[in-house]
Formats: sequence, structure tokens, C-alpha cells
Amino acid sequence: NAGVTQTPKFRVLKTGQSMTLLCAQDMNHEYMYWYRQDPGMGLRLIHYSVGEGTTAKGEVPDGYNVSRLKKQNFLLGLESAAPSQTSVYFCASSYSGTGGNEQFFGPGTRLTVL
Amino acid sequence: KQEVTQIPAALSVPEGENLVLNCSFTDSAIYNLQWFRQDPGKGLTSLLLIQSSQREQTSGRLNASLDKSSGRSTLYIAASQPGDSATYLCAAVFNDYKLSFGAGTTVTVRA
Repeated sequence: NAGVTQTPKFRVLKTGQSMTLLCAQDMNHEYMYWYRQDPGMGLRLIHYSVGEGTTAKGEVPDGYNVSRLKKQNFLLGLESAAPSQTSVYFCASSYSGTGGNEQFFGPGTRLTVL
Repeated sequence: KQEVTQIPAALSVPEGENLVLNCSFTDSAIYNLQWFRQDPGKGLTSLLLIQSSQREQTSGRLNASLDKSSGRSTLYIAASQPGDSATYLCAAVFNDYKLSFGAGTTVTVRA
């Protein structure tokens, strides 16, 4: 099993450009999450999904959109990138969202917006 | 607001010493607490998951305890090695089912 994979690993954008980050998991997990990690801020939840076709806002959703068309994939979109979105983005998945279940993380995407 | 705090932000110990990493949380209504390891430029690796009904979990040289009444979890790493150098993050699930992360403790084990 590959676990949680993320594409791409690195990306540089200019302000105003758009892009989509892809997350894929092969563990048949229901729940998927997108986080961003910034120095001194820890990891913050952007959006999450409790199942195919559903999405919900996390702590810092502004400037991002997501889609979960297939159970195994969770896409994070930036419609008009801003320098404040320079960060490392992590995707995670879990069997369910209830308290007992462990989250598994992907390797991250390092995004720089110039 | 439900918050998770890790103090100190950085820790340096000589090889062989036992490591004690602290995590505190503001809400005793916790569902579980998860400890992660993160190497520089890498993703998060899950180390231990403690359910709210448990007091501790063990895996090899790692032992994590949970005290809901005092709002604390402690990760113990026995007989530290240079390969244990990394950032250790704790994260708690509260009643909204989402993980809230601490900022992490960066550990350096000196050979």
C-alpha cells in the first residue's frame, strides 16, 4: 500500500495564478483532510471531507476550494494564489472522524507564491 | 477555545538520556491524543494514539501517557539515540472531531 500520496511535491507560482494539489489514499478511508504548516503556527486545518461528495471548512478555509469526487482522492485548489499562501501543505486521511481513529499523513507539497 | 501547547519548543540531550516531552490541552473533553514525529522537510509519522479511555500506550522505547483531569500528555523516549532527533508534535481530537495540533518540540540528541 502506498498510503497517502500527494502531487506535486514542489511548486512555485506567481501571484494570481491558479493550481490544484492532488491527494490520493489507498486505505479506503472515509475522512480526508488538508492542512497547512507554517513556521511558528503549527498545522492548521484548511478543509476536510467526511465522505465522497462532501466537503467542509476547517480553521483557515479562505482562498482555497476543495472537491471529493472519488472516495480515494481529495483535491485542494487555489484560484488566485497570494504570497500569504506560501506554505507546506499536508493531506491526511482516517477511517472515520470519530475519536478513535488515527490520521495518516502524506509527504507534503511545498508551495511558494512569488 | 480548545488549544494544545507544547513546552519547551526545543530540547537538547546527550545520547542515552531519557527524553520527556510535554503536551497540555485546555479541554478535558478529549476523544484521543496522537503523537507524531516530523523529520526536516518531511511529512508526519504517527507514533502513538491514546484513546480517551486509556492512560498510556507503549511502542518499543516510546511510552505516552494521558491524564485528562490535568490536561496533560507526556511522551517518554527511553535511552535516546541521535536518530531520535526530530520535531515531535502532539495533536488532540476534541468534540468537533478535528485534530488540534501543538507547535511541536524540536529534539536534538547529541552523540
